[in-house]
Amino acid sequence: GAGVSQSPRYKVTKRGQDVTLRCDPISSHATLYWYQQALGQGPEFLTYFNYEAQPDKSGLPSDRFSAERPEGSISTLTIQRTEQRDSAMYRCASSPEAATGELFFGEGSRLTVL
Amino acid sequence: AQSVTQLDSQVPVFEEAPVELRCNYSSSVSVYLFWYVQYPNQGLQLLLKYLSGSTLVKGINGFEAEFNKSQTSFHLRKPSVHISDTAEYFCAVSDPLNTGFQKLVFGTGTRLLVSP
Repeated sequence: GAGVSQSPRYKVTKRGQDVTLRCDPISSHATLYWYQQALGQGPEFLTYFNYEAQPDKSGLPSDRFSAERPEGSISTLTIQRTEQRDSAMYRCASSPEAATGELFFGEGSRLTVL
Repeated sequence: AQSVTQLDSQVPVFEEAPVELRCNYSSSVSVYLFWYVQYPNQGLQLLLKYLSGSTLVKGINGFEAEFNKSQTSFHLRKPSVHISDTAEYFCAVSDPLNTGFQKLVFGTGTRLLVSP
């Protein structure tokens, strides 16, 4: 696609429910990133993919968080048994080359856990 | 671990005045430095970056930043701001030799408020 697309833009859920967020990167981009941004904070790295490989998931806060990119294009971020502290903006980004650090961000998915 | 400090959470300025947004990072042998801008209801977009070479980096919309290794700073400047520059600005760093260039560490952001 022309830009990075994320869905849903807004998600409200109850504590304990599972949530899946979706990211459709720029079609030519090999690398895809997930960041979490709490209110008043900068984005924090969660994980990234090179095509379908996931070399680094060190930023995932707990084992309730997981991400997939099975065919090297669209990615999903799943949060199981959501907690109120999971409320944040989840940002997906993609890049054509990991070496330069220039990321193209989507508009984000705002998750609110009640 | 690498960290980024943006001391100013908000910077109010009048239109056509100069502005400087400050960014300091924790020391490392080799770093890549970035400024991203976020306009309301949009994703972050790259304003400029420093990878190597000249320490003065020019970006889009008339912004520039200077890499100062001795002071571990990468301050963002614009000589004359416009109303349309009102946005949140994030400084970011990656540490290619330690944590890898893929992992950006962001500051907490500075909200630039330009008034007429």
